[in-house]
Amino acid sequence: DGGITQSPKYLFRKEGQNVTLSCEQNLNHDAMYWYRQDPGQGLRLIYYSQIVNDFQKGDIAEGYSVSREKKESFPLTVTSAQKNPTAFYLCASMLGGSEGTDTQYFGPGTRLTVL
Amino acid sequence: AQTVTQSQPEMSVQEAETVTLSCTYDTSENNYYLFWYKQPPSRQMILVIRQEAYKQQNATENRFSVNFQKAAKSFSLKISDSQLGDTAMYFCAFMKGNAGGTSYGKLTFGQGTILTVHP
Repeated sequence: DGGITQSPKYLFRKEGQNVTLSCEQNLNHDAMYWYRQDPGQGLRLIYYSQIVNDFQKGDIAEGYSVSREKKESFPLTVTSAQKNPTAFYLCASMLGGSEGTDTQYFGPGTRLTVL
Repeated sequence: AQTVTQSQPEMSVQEAETVTLSCTYDTSENNYYLFWYKQPPSRQMILVIRQEAYKQQNATENRFSVNFQKAAKSFSLKISDSQLGDTAMYFCAFMKGNAGGTSYGKLTFGQGTILTVHP
């Protein structure tokens, strides 16, 4: 099946640890995105990548890092510098480039809790 | 910078009735796209409907339709014949059009409206 997968579904982290959230897509989409969702709020953009080996900071990039070594993969690392990482993290992808292909599709999300 | 405002934190509707969710946005762009996403209790974000700003005709998808007022920067979602499965949080979102540059593809979301459909 084509789609976007995120793992793990639930992740627990001790303070001071770095953790990496996985996002994989087999839709052959060029662009990928990471969003953070806090309770009762909309989504905020952390990082995005429009092409392999390139990525840009979003609105709340501090304390996070990403890589885009393969088209289908866009892992997010939550570092110890992120002051309040407990949140729901959503990954999205988009084909991009021309009319009708500029719609983002989302993975099922990862719930990160700091103990 | 773009902003998206959903002024109704919560709404409820009876099954089979019609409900309208409001969304306003602020932008200086002329080429852009607007979306409604649905997030049920499973938290999976699901695309409901999409509108290109250059199209005057309002988008429709089965029971879902929009009222797009470009001059007023308003983009409301109408759900007809509401069903229990429509219970979810609904997000309005804005995306700049593809004029090149690295900012293409960024979605700006509103705060969301929790919709409850009662039997």
